[in-house]
Amino acid sequence: EAAVTQSPRNKVAVTGGKVTLSCNQTNNHNNMYWYRQDTGHGLRLIHYSYGAGSTEKGDIPDGYKASRPSQENFSLILELATPSQTSVYFCASGGQESSYEQYFGPGTRLTVL
Amino acid sequence: GDSVTQKQGQVTLSEDDFLFINCTYSTTTYPTLFWYVQYPGQGPQLLLKVTTANNKGISRGFEATYDKGTTSFHLQKASVQESDSAVYFCALVDSGGNYKPTFGKGTSLVVHP
Repeated sequence: EAAVTQSPRNKVAVTGGKVTLSCNQTNNHNNMYWYRQDTGHGLRLIHYSYGAGSTEKGDIPDGYKASRPSQENFSLILELATPSQTSVYFCASGGQESSYEQYFGPGTRLTVL
Repeated sequence: GDSVTQKQGQVTLSEDDFLFINCTYSTTTYPTLFWYVQYPGQGPQLLLKVTTANNKGISRGFEATYDKGTTSFHLQKASVQESDSAVYFCALVDSGGNYKPTFGKGTSLVVHP
């Protein structure tokens, strides 16, 4: 069955620290996405990728970097974490192969103190 | 750019009530439209999808019709159950351009027994 997994599931970080959120998919989808979910804002797209080696800026990319080293893996990197980045982060995969339906992971709850 | 508007932040109903969640969109291309549902503690999952070719999507008793004239994609269900309590997101993918997804802010549905 198609699956998207995220690690860690929960993370507490300090302000100014570096945080890496990881995502793995076994769907063999070309596209992968990173979102954050905050009350009152819904799902906002941070970065996305069309395939290994590609990253594209989404709607709110500032303060985040992304890396797509392989078809299966897509990471979100916070080089200097700030309290405003406290949120729940979701990874998803999907593309032309799935008629653009997205399959989401279970989410990572990040708290920046 | 593309946008999706869900004006209803929360809808509260009783079992067997009729559900209507409003969604309008703006895009310069021909989108594929989606409704996703998110249960507590989980990532969003696809509820139904509509393309410009088929106009209507039906799944699990939910129905949405794509109206290009009014650029609307409202979600309906004739009789809700307590188990339908969740957050519902309207979304579009620009399938004629860069395939970037855009989500609405979500509507929280609470169904009382």
